[in-house]
Amino acid sequence: DIQMTQSPSSVSASVGDRVTITCRASQDIGNYLAWYQQRPGKAPKLLIYAASSLQSGVPSRFSGSGSGTDFTLTINSLQPEDFATYFCQQANSFPLTFGPGTKVDIK
Amino acid sequence: EVQLLESGGGLVQPGGSLRLSCAASGLAFNTYAMSWVRQTPGKGLEWVSAISANGGGTYYADSVKGRFTISRDNSKNTLYLQMNNLRAEDTAVYCCAKDRHSGSWNKWFDPWGRGTLVTVSS
Repeated sequence: DIQMTQSPSSVSASVGDRVTITCRASQDIGNYLAWYQQRPGKAPKLLIYAASSLQSGVPSRFSGSGSGTDFTLTINSLQPEDFATYFCQQANSFPLTFGPGTKVDIK
Repeated sequence: EVQLLESGGGLVQPGGSLRLSCAASGLAFNTYAMSWVRQTPGKGLEWVSAISANGGGTYYADSVKGRFTISRDNSKNTLYLQMNNLRAEDTAVYCCAKDRHSGSWNKWFDPWGRGTLVTVSS
């Protein structure tokens, strides 16, 4: 199985900050990576797919990059609604696997 | 707007069975692969099973293989998960999720349902 790791596990930031979250796969997954945002009590929401494609309706302050084993989610100019937990997911092969999540909270 | 609504969760004893349903609306259901994903505070997000648009292809996590069966009824726009021989470690919120693109597998999920809670305990 492909193992996914994320760092940091949590980050404290202020409105307007730039936040970068890293996701690493245990083997080459090409660009088969997605990023999700989950607010408390809500279902996960797709932000980025194919490593860098922005899902329709997602603000352009979110961006994704990377390929192979190392990927990054960047949030530019953090907004109050962005305080949430972010997960990466590999879509290269079954079984699909998720990272453990990164919680972005208010400094 | 696409909506996914899960039902069928509840409290069940170890070794028992449950059947989860996911009713889909606002989409051409028979053109999308679907998955079940579960979430626990301790283990995070765990993909459970997936089924192709026509139901001909299915995949399972090793942790549920041989105990869970995914199926769909495209005439009813409904996805199912039959869960047998349940264990305490199956306790989780179970969400159904739709593949983002129709047609062949793409395996990233949009949207997700809110989920139904399954508790396995004596």
